[in-house]
Amino acid sequence: EVQLVESGGGLVQPGRSMKLSCAASGFTFSNYGMAWVRQAPTKGLEWVATISYDGSSTYYRDSVKGRFTISRDNAKSTLYLQMNSLRSEDTATYYCTRAVTMMVIIDYFDYWGQGVMVTVSS
Amino acid sequence: DIRMTQSPASLSASLGETVNIECLASEDIYSDLAWYQQKPGKSPQLLIYNANSLQNGVPSRFSGSGSGTQYSLKINSLQSEDVATYFCQQYNNYPRTFGGGTKLELK
Repeated sequence: EVQLVESGGGLVQPGRSMKLSCAASGFTFSNYGMAWVRQAPTKGLEWVATISYDGSSTYYRDSVKGRFTISRDNAKSTLYLQMNSLRSEDTATYYCTRAVTMMVIIDYFDYWGQGVMVTVSS
Repeated sequence: DIRMTQSPASLSASLGETVNIECLASEDIYSDLAWYQQKPGKSPQLLIYNANSLQNGVPSRFSGSGSGTQYSLKINSLQSEDVATYFCQQYNNYPRTFGGGTKLELK
């Protein structure tokens, strides 16, 4: 059974940093691209970042480019999202998702974690 | 960025009814479209990919269609467990973009 379990969320002050983790199991992690998708309270879904199966390619939405870094450790089957210079508008539930292809050129998300809440507030 | 416009934003329907949700892309996305269902308090789940392919385990009362810029999700014989918010998503280009969602309730 595919499982994606996020951790590392919580309350953080504006301008500070936070790192999210996503532990994957039930599939060969190194064969899939991965992504983060977020959802602000009572709002819709917003794609954040995607990484290819080997970490060689990464993609970001403009509003997080230069502040967020997506990475992965295939030996540990873990996906990460390093978030720096956090803003109030980054407040959201962050979902770890599995992309259906390795190189994430054309892909959708077939499995989602339960989500982790990040609140940016002073 | 490709803009995805979903309609309606909310919908009320009766058990057994057929429901249609539309998704309009701001440019041709060549059927690179997925539909997700998000039940209250839960994570989204994939229903449809490549505009009309049913994800494994999804009931056959769900179907997708469309091409170019216009796509739709159809739910036949609405069940109580279908109460949820539905999102479309294009994956033809970066940034990946989602529609604003359609909240489906029972009448």
